[in-house]
Amino acid sequence: NAGVTQTPKFQVLKTGQSMTLQCAQDMNHEYMSWYRQDPGMGLRLIHYSVGAGITDQGEVPNGYNVSRSTTEDFPLRLLSAAPSQTSVYFCASSWTGEGEGYTFGSGTRLTVV
Amino acid sequence: DAKTTQPPSMDCAEGRAANLPCNHSTISGNEYVYWYRQIHSQGPQYIIHGLKNNETNEMASLIITEDRKSSTLILPHATLRDTAVYYCIVRVGYNTDKLIFGTGTRLQVFP
Repeated sequence: NAGVTQTPKFQVLKTGQSMTLQCAQDMNHEYMSWYRQDPGMGLRLIHYSVGAGITDQGEVPNGYNVSRSTTEDFPLRLLSAAPSQTSVYFCASSWTGEGEGYTFGSGTRLTVV
Repeated sequence: DAKTTQPPSMDCAEGRAANLPCNHSTISGNEYVYWYRQIHSQGPQYIIHGLKNNETNEMASLIITEDRKSSTLILPHATLRDTAVYYCIVRVGYNTDKLIFGTGTRLQVFP
């Protein structure tokens, strides 16, 4: 049981490049979310999903796309990277009922130059 | 989800109890209080949650006031490894679709 796995752990992009941050969980959780955390700041919700085929926007969705084709995977796509997207990105998953809430991955540190 | 208010920072001596307050005056009847913490730049870690009753687990205790408008997270014997940012979050427990973080309380445990 690996929990929530994020890849890559570090990434440097040039402005305008696109890339996909991967997130996978092996706990059969229905709910998954993506957050970003800027230096010295709290976590902000980008997109979330309540199940395969269902996604919705969070607090800061602009510049990001998501899809949820399987229960296990929830990739985050940066369409055209900008320096303002330099941040640490966390993926999280949760089951549907009351319980321990979300399990977080270890994060992806993204720098856009 | 209801908004929460926490002090930005607190200090605690190692070995003493750390009591972290949280105000959630607009909480609804079906909303739970969750506590998470983030150590340095790691992913947040679940600590404890509750609805009405006080709760205790191996990490901490959660005291919720009778009117549910505030709560306190208690770390009974704080250690240096408990230095972290602690987040109090109010959310619906069932069919919960998202978790919104506030600014949290930065707890510094000193020797």
